[in-house]
Amino acid sequence: EAQVTQNPRYLITVTGKKLTVTCSQNMNHEYMSWYRQDPGLGLRQIYYSMNVEVTDKGDVPEGYKVSRKEKRNFPLILESPSPNQTSLYFCASSWTPTRTDTQYFGPGTRLTVL
Amino acid sequence: QKEVEQDPGPLSVPEGAIVSLNCTYSNSAFQYFMWYRQYSRKGPELLMYTYSSGNKEDGRFTAQVDKSSKYISLFIRDSQPSDSATYLCAMSAQGAQKLVFGQGTRLTINP
Repeated sequence: EAQVTQNPRYLITVTGKKLTVTCSQNMNHEYMSWYRQDPGLGLRQIYYSMNVEVTDKGDVPEGYKVSRKEKRNFPLILESPSPNQTSLYFCASSWTPTRTDTQYFGPGTRLTVL
Repeated sequence: QKEVEQDPGPLSVPEGAIVSLNCTYSNSAFQYFMWYRQYSRKGPELLMYTYSSGNKEDGRFTAQVDKSSKYISLFIRDSQPSDSATYLCAMSAQGAQKLVFGQGTRLTINP
């Protein structure tokens, strides 16, 4: 089954404690991206990757890091989380950003930073 | 000003009604227009896709794009309680490497 998986699904942490949210896809997609979703602001792109070792900033990259060492995985790293990073995070993958027939979102990770 | 504006609602209508959801945008370079449906506690799923201007119909759903007015719409006919969800519009320019999303409209269909 084609899918994007994220872990953990729920996470409560404290300010400054480094964390990683994993994202994995089983469709051999080249394009992967991370979004955060906040009430009243919709989905905003954090980082995206066009392929292995190719990553770039989205609209709200501050406080986040990513890496793309393998095609299937695209982890999101918060080196020093702060309360304003409390949000719902989604990973997505597709062949290209606009290749809509192959566009999948993960189930989401709800992060709370105290 | 946001690149894409969408009324967040909430919008509540009776079962069987025709629903109209809309987005406006400011970037004339947008060529790809999408509507996503997001159920509570789930990731968005692609519902409709239109390239450039025109209409597209899929069952009870119709997507319209008016590039001259920078306005897109999603119509839902014979709405069902199972259509209750948040609907997000998204757009992208030719060759762009990202989608720009609207805020999402929360829709409830009452039996």
